[in-house]
Amino acid sequence: NAGVMQNPRHLVRRRGQEARLRCSPMKGHSHVYWYRQLPEEGLKFMVYLQKENIIDESGMPKERFSAEFPKEGPSILRIQQVVRGDSAAYFCASSLSRGPYEQYFGPGTRLTVT
Amino acid sequence: RKEVEQDPGPFNVPEGATVAFNCTYSNSASQSFFWYRQDCRKEPKLLMSVYSSGNEDGRFTAQLNRASQYISLLIRDSKLSDSATYLCVVNIGSNTGKLIFGQGTTLQVKP
Repeated sequence: NAGVMQNPRHLVRRRGQEARLRCSPMKGHSHVYWYRQLPEEGLKFMVYLQKENIIDESGMPKERFSAEFPKEGPSILRIQQVVRGDSAAYFCASSLSRGPYEQYFGPGTRLTVT
Repeated sequence: RKEVEQDPGPFNVPEGATVAFNCTYSNSASQSFFWYRQDCRKEPKLLMSVYSSGNEDGRFTAQLNRASQYISLLIRDSKLSDSATYLCVVNIGSNTGKLIFGQGTTLQVKP
């Protein structure tokens, strides 16, 4: 029973480049969440998606960040024109349904901006 | 005030000790509560959900006090492998999947 999968596990980008992070939820899960963990800080919610819909993007920075979860394929978190402050661990989680259901996390993508 | 507050520790305890972590949350509308465990630079792993009636899973016991907006985790007979950061996590409501994480409490179990 495969868990949440994320790739790449490590990503290095120069300032100004684009970063694309992918997440495949657990089998049977249709709800995906993205969280960011800055160095020495706690996890912060970014966005919640269901297939083809953004349900809650209240934690997404207003510019440069976008997320999608298409009908087919993984969820994508896209960061345009990366800056050093974007360096962080980005974790994806999935759940069976919305609300109180437990969320299970993937191994994360560690983004380093040089 | 932080939405979820935890004592960051570290808690340094010998093997076999009993240790308790506490957590408070500010939003009285919070509906679901969890403890996650995070090992250094790895993903959070669900340890247990926390129910109003309290729940136990082996050496781990979680309690919820809604009136005081307080959650606890008790670990009995600590093992070296329990060394990790324990995250108190709250979900505000049934229509949002947003989890709010505390900063975590670090536990170091020594031989």
